[in-house]
Amino acid sequence: NAGVTQTPKFQVLKTGQSMTLQCAQDMNHEYMSWYRQDPGMGLRLIHYSVGAGITDQGEVPNGYNVSRSTTEDFPLRLLSAAPSQTSVYFCAIGRSNQPQHFGDGTRLSIL
Amino acid sequence: AQSVTQLDSHVSVSEGTPVLLRCNYSSSYSPSLFWYVQHPNKGLQLLLKYTSAATLVKGINGFEAEFKKSETSFHLTKPSAHMSDAAEYFCVVTKTSYDKVIFGPGTSLSVIP
Repeated sequence: NAGVTQTPKFQVLKTGQSMTLQCAQDMNHEYMSWYRQDPGMGLRLIHYSVGAGITDQGEVPNGYNVSRSTTEDFPLRLLSAAPSQTSVYFCAIGRSNQPQHFGDGTRLSIL
Repeated sequence: AQSVTQLDSHVSVSEGTPVLLRCNYSSSYSPSLFWYVQHPNKGLQLLLKYTSAATLVKGINGFEAEFKKSETSFHLTKPSAHMSDAAEYFCVVTKTSYDKVIFGPGTSLSVIP
């Protein structure tokens, strides 16, 4: 039972490049969310979705874009990467605003 | 507005001794509160949650937490630490609705053999 699968696990980008972080779930949860984790700051919510076709901004949405065309997938897009976006990114799922299962993270470095 | 304060950035205990990780919250509403654990290079795992039922909440791996409204606290405890408990622990608050969750900054727990 995979739960939440994030790809890639590691990525290095140059400033200005774009990329998509993938998140897929096999638990049929309606709520999916993206967080970034930076040292000493806990996790901060980037975007979240309460169901297919519905997304909303979290605490730190600037520079990121999301869409939710299916229940299973919730990709996070970096439009033009900046060094400030160097972080570890986590995708999470849950029934409501209670994230219960997290992926193992994507470690992203922007040079 | 809601916020979470974890009073210790790092806690070190000896194996077999009690664990206490402190969390205070601020919320205008009756909150839901959670504790998560994160082992190195892994995602977060839900340890336990409080959602306005019993004030003493039991979680996985022998952990428990007590909701004290008068003190606005939700401290995490375990009677006897194991080496496998060494990890980062996060206290989280949210309203009981479709609203955003707020994470505390985390407490790193070290367990000394």
